[in-house]
Amino acid sequence: QKEVEQNSGPLSVPEGAIASLNCTYSDRGSQSFFWYRQYSGKSPELIMSIYSNGDKEDGRFTAQLNKASQYVSLLIRDSQPSDSATYLCAVIKEYGNKLVFGAGTILRVKS
Amino acid sequence: GAVVSQHPSWVICKSGTSVKIECRSLDFQATTMFWYRQFPKQSLMLMATSNEGSKATYEQGVEKDKFLINHASLTLSTLTVTSAHPEDSSFYICSAPSRDSNQPQHFGDGTRLSIL
Repeated sequence: QKEVEQNSGPLSVPEGAIASLNCTYSDRGSQSFFWYRQYSGKSPELIMSIYSNGDKEDGRFTAQLNKASQYVSLLIRDSQPSDSATYLCAVIKEYGNKLVFGAGTILRVKS
Repeated sequence: GAVVSQHPSWVICKSGTSVKIECRSLDFQATTMFWYRQFPKQSLMLMATSNEGSKATYEQGVEKDKFLINHASLTLSTLTVTSAHPEDSSFYICSAPSRDSNQPQHFGDGTRLSIL
């Protein structure tokens, strides 16, 4: 079992729609969860961090965390073509400061 | 602006060559830095944790004699890919821990390594 799992996609949504990206993790003791956006050939860029159960909103982005289900999601409202990228879910496990990344979900927003 | 500078951004070299990649923290000290490798359409995989003044900690399956890491100062870590072969071609990214609790690490811009 991979430590952080994501559907590789691609996930295609029309411009203006809501894109929903999902992630599950295996270490139940994990405390910190992050969503990164990565354009081709570039380094990952942090979009959202979330630490407690529930929703966290920042502009068009909402992160959702459910520790009981070991599930993290990212919603992107009013999707734009510029949102087309690979979205990486990352987790810091219970002990240490290492980021463990999922394989990423490719998002394509069609105009 | 960038807080971690990585150089070079792109390297093409012949098989058997050794390649050095530099990672610098700008305006802050980093006693620890991380080195990742990313193959096409795959995720970032942590290769090793670089520790200032001591030996690097390598992840399971990473050859320490192949990937030499030196963290000689509080602002510079280097990764040397020794006797590189085509299978070492990848995107290498370094990072340094952040003091911002909402951002765990600052990433460099990455180095695209192509071995012919």
